[in-house]
Amino acid sequence: SQTIHQWPATLVQPVGSPLSLECTVEGTSNPNLYWYRQAAGRGLQLLFYSVGIGQISSEVPQNLSASRPQDRQFILSSKKLLLSDSGFYLCAWGGRTSRSYEQYFGPGTRLTVT
Amino acid sequence: GQSLEQPSEVTAVEGAIVQINCTYQTSGFYGLSWYQQHDGGAPTFLSYNALDGLEETGRFSSFLSRSDSYGYLLLQELQMKDSASYFCAVRDGFQKLVFGTGTRLLVSP
Repeated sequence: SQTIHQWPATLVQPVGSPLSLECTVEGTSNPNLYWYRQAAGRGLQLLFYSVGIGQISSEVPQNLSASRPQDRQFILSSKKLLLSDSGFYLCAWGGRTSRSYEQYFGPGTRLTVT
Repeated sequence: GQSLEQPSEVTAVEGAIVQINCTYQTSGFYGLSWYQQHDGGAPTFLSYNALDGLEETGRFSSFLSRSDSYGYLLLQELQMKDSASYFCAVRDGFQKLVFGTGTRLLVSP
């Protein structure tokens, strides 16, 4: 069965510090991968998605970036965090085209920027 | 632009039936999904409608009317564990979803 891992679970970082969140998927190959951010009590905002190694689509221009160095690894980064970057970051994987409506989410990382 | 509107909160009692509506306006449309998210947890997939009509999965049903840009999630025989946030999401391209703002469902005894 497929499993998606995210770490860390919680993170407190000062403004201006760098960020690296990692997501890995097991049990499937060549998945679509997604990074979402959710502010408290709000909906999910798609940040980046990837359909293959090295292929990144950015949905929201901001000080975050994403990379996919391996088929089942997706990394979210920032060089300098802003207060507004606080939130719940979720990684998800989805099936190809015909089943892209069904996405499976990792446990998430709760980021607080102080 | 793209927007999906849902009521912010719905309350109901155990055993009742509740309907959560979703209206959407998106640049593309390939189907409507529903997700459930408990507090502090990750969203989980509930159902999907690509065509007009009703899809039933146990106590949950989902309906879509593409001509009205409208769908709903129907939860029957409500249980306390159904208290959660529910999100509709439009598949606006082959590879991605656009999520609504979510409806918080509170089920009371």
